[in-house]
Amino acid sequence: EMQLVQSGAEMKKPGESLKISCKASGYLFNSYWIAWVRQMPGKGLEWMGLIYPGTSETKYSPTFEGQVTMSVDTSTSIAYLQWSGLKASDSAIYYCAKTSMVRNGMDVWGQGTTVTVSS
Amino acid sequence: DIVMTQSPDSLAVSLGERATINCRSSQSVLYSPNNKNHLAWFQQKAGQPPKLLIYWASMRESGVPDRFSGSGSGTNFTLTISNLQAEDVAVYYCQQYTFTPPWTFGQGTKVEIK
Repeated sequence: EMQLVQSGAEMKKPGESLKISCKASGYLFNSYWIAWVRQMPGKGLEWMGLIYPGTSETKYSPTFEGQVTMSVDTSTSIAYLQWSGLKASDSAIYYCAKTSMVRNGMDVWGQGTTVTVSS
Repeated sequence: DIVMTQSPDSLAVSLGERATINCRSSQSVLYSPNNKNHLAWFQQKAGQPPKLLIYWASMRESGVPDRFSGSGSGTNFTLTISNLQAEDVAVYYCQQYTFTPPWTFGQGTKVEIK
């Protein structure tokens, strides 16, 4: 069974750094992109970007370019999303999704990681 | 960026009736190399991650009930839920995934039972 399991909820203060994870299983991790999607409280879905584990190629939405960093560890089939200086406006649920660019897009989703940034 | 606009923002439908959600893109989402419309529909129930229902505008994802159907091409698309069931209460999003990011979502349509 294809599955993405994300790390647990985080509570951070403004200015702190954070790295959340997304562990893949049940498929060839290196062969599919991983997308990251943000959902702010009570709001819709925002596409943040893509990373291809096979090459670490990344594609960022202009909204998130320079604000977050996507990375992968192919030895453990884990994708990461990190911030170097959190803001209160980063409070949201973050989802990862297994992605095919040429067929069915984002077909398998993680359960989401809730990030709360508050002083 | 391609802007996705859904209508209506919400709708209430009686059990067993049909729900229709429209999605318009500001540019064509036809991907020439495979001649497919790169348009997906997602269902998000309260407290859950989104679930892929439809890809390529009209292809039902494996395991999705056949009361969900997608249609349209170019810039105008529709998701139809026939014979609405109680478990279909959710927010539905369209999303374009053309080969050149950024990808974008519609604002969502909330479906409730009348």
